[in-house]
Amino acid sequence: RKEVEQDPGPFNVPEGATVAFNCTYSNSASQSFFWYRQDCRKEPKLLMSVYSSGNEDGRFTAQLNRASQYISLLIRDSKLSDSATYLCVVDSGGGADGLTFGKGTHLIIQP
Amino acid sequence: EAGVAQSPRYKIIEKRQSVAFWCNPISGHATLYWYQQILGQGPKLLIQFQNNGVVDDSQLPKDRFSAERLKGVDSTLKIQPAKLEDSAVYLCASSYSGGAIYEQFFGPGTRLTVL
Repeated sequence: RKEVEQDPGPFNVPEGATVAFNCTYSNSASQSFFWYRQDCRKEPKLLMSVYSSGNEDGRFTAQLNRASQYISLLIRDSKLSDSATYLCVVDSGGGADGLTFGKGTHLIIQP
Repeated sequence: EAGVAQSPRYKIIEKRQSVAFWCNPISGHATLYWYQQILGQGPKLLIQFQNNGVVDDSQLPKDRFSAERLKGVDSTLKIQPAKLEDSAVYLCASSYSGGAIYEQFFGPGTRLTVL
């Protein structure tokens, strides 16, 4: 099974700062890409899908570079409530439904 | 709308014992997934059901793990016998249908400790 690589962090960032996470994936057949958020001792929840043209949802911007097999997430004006683990997720490719999760990047927003 | 339900929330057993987890997906969701999440790692897919049929169980350790979804609704995951390395959170997720375009909704998980 193909891999998804992320910097585990932790990233310690002051409130209000901008923070960026990167992720690389090895399966060139993957077609769908996501960022999930997981709070401590909670289940993962979908944060946003990642589209080829890049997409934005409020303070969050996701980018995809298919040629480099690279995905990014940018958080602007970070809030204390953004503290969580951010999981990079790609589909298994070839029409398969399963998702492959990265290990996650741990973000800590400091007041 | 009710979310994905799982029970028990916590389980502590000794190695070589058996354990079973239960999951009830969101009503109307045809696809059900079981994931294993070891501390410090992302969830790893164990098995995927579409209604009551298995779509993918390539990462399920079949010598000790089994899962069923007999009526296409709720599901059970069993480990028999458990090993120390099975200590993890077992997450159940469901989606409206198969296909990665559909959002997967996760339950709260069952935290298993094997002593």
